[in-house]
Amino acid sequence: DVKVTQSSRYLVKRTGEKVFLECVQDMDHENMFWYRQDPGLGLRLIYFSYDVKMKEKGDIPEGYSVSREKKERFSLILESASTNQTSMYLCASLPGTVNTEAFFGQGTRLTVV
Amino acid sequence: TQLLEQSPQFLSIQEGENLTVYCNSSSVFSSLQWYRQEPGEGPVLLVTVVTGGEVKKLKRLTFQFGDARKDSSLHITAAQPGDTGLYLCAGDRGPGTPLVFGKGTRLSVIA
Repeated sequence: DVKVTQSSRYLVKRTGEKVFLECVQDMDHENMFWYRQDPGLGLRLIYFSYDVKMKEKGDIPEGYSVSREKKERFSLILESASTNQTSMYLCASLPGTVNTEAFFGQGTRLTVV
Repeated sequence: TQLLEQSPQFLSIQEGENLTVYCNSSSVFSSLQWYRQEPGEGPVLLVTVVTGGEVKKLKRLTFQFGDARKDSSLHITAAQPGDTGLYLCAGDRGPGTPLVFGKGTRLSVIA
């Protein structure tokens, strides 16, 4: 059974903290993505990566960075958490071919207080 | 600008009713995918439509891809409470580009 696993389902952090969200996939997929999901705004792409040590900005990268040191792991970093980063964060992976399924993790609901 | 427009945004219906959800764009996609997301979980793929005009059926769910590959619809026959969830369409613009998601349709089926 293919899997994308996010390290936490729920997180509560304080404003100004550095926050790490981890995502691991076991499908040997080249492509990995981080989205945030907010009511009325849908899924918005933060960053994505097509290969180890490669990263591309998505639609809303401000306030975030990413790391991909190994193919199976893609980390999202909130350098200094703010309350407007309270959201549901979803990691996804995709093989490097067209018209294929995206596999999502279960999501991390982050609350910044 | 939202590349994929989904409508309606919310839908609340009685068990046994039929419904259609639309996903429209001015862009051409190599495929369109439909996902269903339950509360507290990530989206899960329902179907991928690839060929213009294609129709796919999944039990009571019928998916159609427009002839010009710019739009798609999801029709549910005799909806059941288990169909409740958030339905997302996603467009694939080809290799090297991320999927583009619509904002979703939140469906509630009342018993």
